[in-house]
Amino acid sequence: GENVEQHPSTLSVQEGDSAVIKCTYSDSASNYFPWYKQELGKGPQLIIDIRSNVGEKKDQRIAVTLNKTAKHFSLHITETQPEDSAVYFCAAIDQAGTALIFGKGTTLSVSS
Amino acid sequence: GAGVSQSPSNKVTEKGKDVELRCDPISGHTALYWYRQRLGQGLEFLIYFQGNSAPDKSGLPSDRFSAERTGESVSTLTIQRTQQEDSAVYLCASSLAGWSYNEQFFGPGTRLTVL
Repeated sequence: GENVEQHPSTLSVQEGDSAVIKCTYSDSASNYFPWYKQELGKGPQLIIDIRSNVGEKKDQRIAVTLNKTAKHFSLHITETQPEDSAVYFCAAIDQAGTALIFGKGTTLSVSS
Repeated sequence: GAGVSQSPSNKVTEKGKDVELRCDPISGHTALYWYRQRLGQGLEFLIYFQGNSAPDKSGLPSDRFSAERTGESVSTLTIQRTQQEDSAVYLCASSLAGWSYNEQFFGPGTRLTVL
């Protein structure tokens, strides 16, 4: 089945710096890769996603890149702000095309 | 509009007791998912419903875990004879349809503590 590895597990940056989180996946048939942000005490919320037919997608300060050959995808946050502090999860769709397989998460801390 | 709701928000139980966790999905969402999140870990898929049927139960960790969905709406996750390793946050999500590309909307979770 699908396996998703995520790193780093923790990331600390200064406000205004960029942050990059990387994930690898095992199933070459996976075709959908969402990123979720989880704030303390809340459920995860989708922030951006990418399908396998594109290599990059951008939404204001966040972007995701996908390399299907290498089976890895990354989240890029530019001009980080304190409110970006949260746990970020990458995910890939499973072989059945229904459930999401999540990475273990990255705790991002942005200090002002 | 209303999002996914879960109840209770917190549940403390004694080892060996049964517990029921409830999920109310977004109205009109045909697909519903249950995940488990252990402390400091990612989300672990448990079960998926399409309508009232569960085509994928592959993630249920043991026969102590079961789930049902009625009226293509509310779902209940039941854990029988709870064990300490069942302690986790149980998250429910729903989506418009159960296939790729559909955003899954998550509820706030139920924090289960087994003493």
